[in-house]
Amino acid sequence: DVKVTQSSRYLVKRTGEKVFLECVQDMDHENMFWYRQDPGLGLRLIYFSYDVKMKEKGDIPEGYSVSREKKERFSLILESASTNQTSMYLCASSLYGSVEQYFGPGTRLTVT
Amino acid sequence: KNEVEQSPQNLTAQEGEFITINCSYSVGISALHWLQQHPGGGIVSLFMLSSGKKKHGRLIATINIQEKHSSLHITASHPRDSAVYICAAPRGAQKLVFGQGTRLTINP
Repeated sequence: DVKVTQSSRYLVKRTGEKVFLECVQDMDHENMFWYRQDPGLGLRLIYFSYDVKMKEKGDIPEGYSVSREKKERFSLILESASTNQTSMYLCASSLYGSVEQYFGPGTRLTVT
Repeated sequence: KNEVEQSPQNLTAQEGEFITINCSYSVGISALHWLQQHPGGGIVSLFMLSSGKKKHGRLIATINIQEKHSSLHITASHPRDSAVYICAAPRGAQKLVFGQGTRLTINP
């Protein structure tokens, strides 16, 4: 069974703080994704990584950065959290060339 | 206009009712995904289909590639079917573009 884990289920941060969201997958998948999910908007892609140290901007990368130093781990970084980044963040992984993605449980981030 | 549109956005029904959720897409695709998200967040894949119909238990998914339309049906609905149902279409070889989701509530 593919397992994708995320470091926190719930997180509360203050405006201006630096926030790290971690995602780990155990199936040797090449592709990893970070999404945010907001009511009425669905899942939107923030960043995509197709290999270690390789990344590609998604549809809404502003205010975010990512890091992929190891194949199994993909980190999402909010350099200076703002209230409009309050959202559900979901990580996913997939094999290279496959569109079948496996999702983590999500992190509900609140920025106050 | 979104590349993938779902309807309805919210659906409330009584236990036992037949449920239909619709998905239309504007891009040419080879397959469409249906996903389920239970309260708490985790998303699981239900179906990936490229033509015709697929059935898994009480869930049935159909797709018409020419009309760019897919439906997810639930027969004999049950409160445990309450979840958000999401359709997704491939964007390129590796990515997906998602519909807004349909929040389904089945009352006992």
